[in-house]
Amino acid sequence: QQQVKQSPQSLIVQKGGISIINCAYENTAFDYFPWYQQFPGKGPALLIAIRPDVSEKKEGRFTISFNKSAKQFSLHIMDSQPGDSATYFCAAPDTGGFKTIFGAGTRLFVKA
Amino acid sequence: NAGVTQTPKFQVLKTGQSMTLQCAQDMNHEYMSWYRQDPGMGLRLIHYSVGAGITDQGEVPNGYNVSRSTTEDFPLRLLSAAPSQTSVYFCASRYTSGNINEQFFGPGTRLTVL
Repeated sequence: QQQVKQSPQSLIVQKGGISIINCAYENTAFDYFPWYQQFPGKGPALLIAIRPDVSEKKEGRFTISFNKSAKQFSLHIMDSQPGDSATYFCAAPDTGGFKTIFGAGTRLFVKA
Repeated sequence: NAGVTQTPKFQVLKTGQSMTLQCAQDMNHEYMSWYRQDPGMGLRLIHYSVGAGITDQGEVPNGYNVSRSTTEDFPLRLLSAAPSQTSVYFCASRYTSGNINEQFFGPGTRLTVL
């Protein structure tokens, strides 16, 4: 079964700083790497996703970097804002492609 | 579109009681799933379905049953509630094909088992 290891568990960043969250996976048989964002009391929502045929994808202040050889992908939040304070999850499909396995989550707090 | 809806929002059960958590989606998604969220454990897959009449187990299926009689609905049944099932439960749905398999999550059900 796919294992997804996410780090750090929690992160405190000053307003305007860069937040970096990392994710490592084991299985190579999949084609989609998403990051989800969850605010307290809400369900997770897709933030940004990347396919493995590209090494980086940027949407506004959010960037995914993908390192296929190291089996890692990371989320970078540039110019972090207090409104970015949330829990972030990486995820990856399992071997069969139907199950989505999530990382343990990273609680981000951006100090004003 | 209402998206993914879940009922109830909150529930308190006594040990041994049974109940059903409801989930419905109006996006005609083939794939539906149930997750539980516990502090420090992330989202763990309980059961999933790739279409009406087809269900399978996830990472933590024990103590839970599911069925999928329609595309829209995917209820989760707790057979005999235990304190270890105290958690926040999320239902999610998505298409099974396409370039980006975005999962859409419901608002969650917060369950406490005493």
